[in-house]
Amino acid sequence: DAGVTQSPTHLIKTRGQQVTLRCSPKSGHDTVSWYQQALGQGPQFIFQYYEEEERQRGNFPDRFSGHQFPNYSSELNVNALLLGDSALYLCASSSPQQFTQYFGPGTRLTVL
Amino acid sequence: QQPVQSPQAVILREGEDAVINCSSSKALYSVHWYRQKHGEAPVFLMILLKGGEQKGHDKISASFNEKKQQSSLYLTASQLSYSGTYFCGTASGAQKLVFGQGTRLTINP
Repeated sequence: DAGVTQSPTHLIKTRGQQVTLRCSPKSGHDTVSWYQQALGQGPQFIFQYYEEEERQRGNFPDRFSGHQFPNYSSELNVNALLLGDSALYLCASSSPQQFTQYFGPGTRLTVL
Repeated sequence: QQPVQSPQAVILREGEDAVINCSSSKALYSVHWYRQKHGEAPVFLMILLKGGEQKGHDKISASFNEKKQQSSLYLTASQLSYSGTYFCGTASGAQKLVFGQGTRLTINP
């Protein structure tokens, strides 16, 4: 049973560029949440997708956007990258019947 | 509102016990505990739902006092593999989790 997968593992971008991160949920899960984790901090909620719609959103600017596909996989897009966007981006999947969220290995984004 | 964890860091010798606390100023529906090792993703430990239940497996257990909006994680007879940063994530309804700042646990032989 495959767990949550994310790609790419690492990414280096320069300020002003755009980036797309990908996530495939655990088998049987249909809800995907994205988190940003800065060094030494706890994960911060970006947004959650369910049935291809953004269900909840955290305190992040519109530069952060997402999408969920019919197969439940998801993308996180960040436009006009800033140095402060450098972080570990985590995807977590869950099902509506259970509250447990399982995290993927993350994508380490470095903005130069 | 971010939950507050205490202590921020703790150093133990193998075999000793530890308690990590998590406090919220908001009414909680559930508390989720995770452990994260350096460079890795958070790993789910357990979830406690509204109702004040205590859960546990092996030598790790947790309690949830919904009246006080507090949860505690208990690590008994700690092992080297318990080292890492522990996070509590709280939810007030829907599945959005708000995480504390973490408690760094170091276990020495």
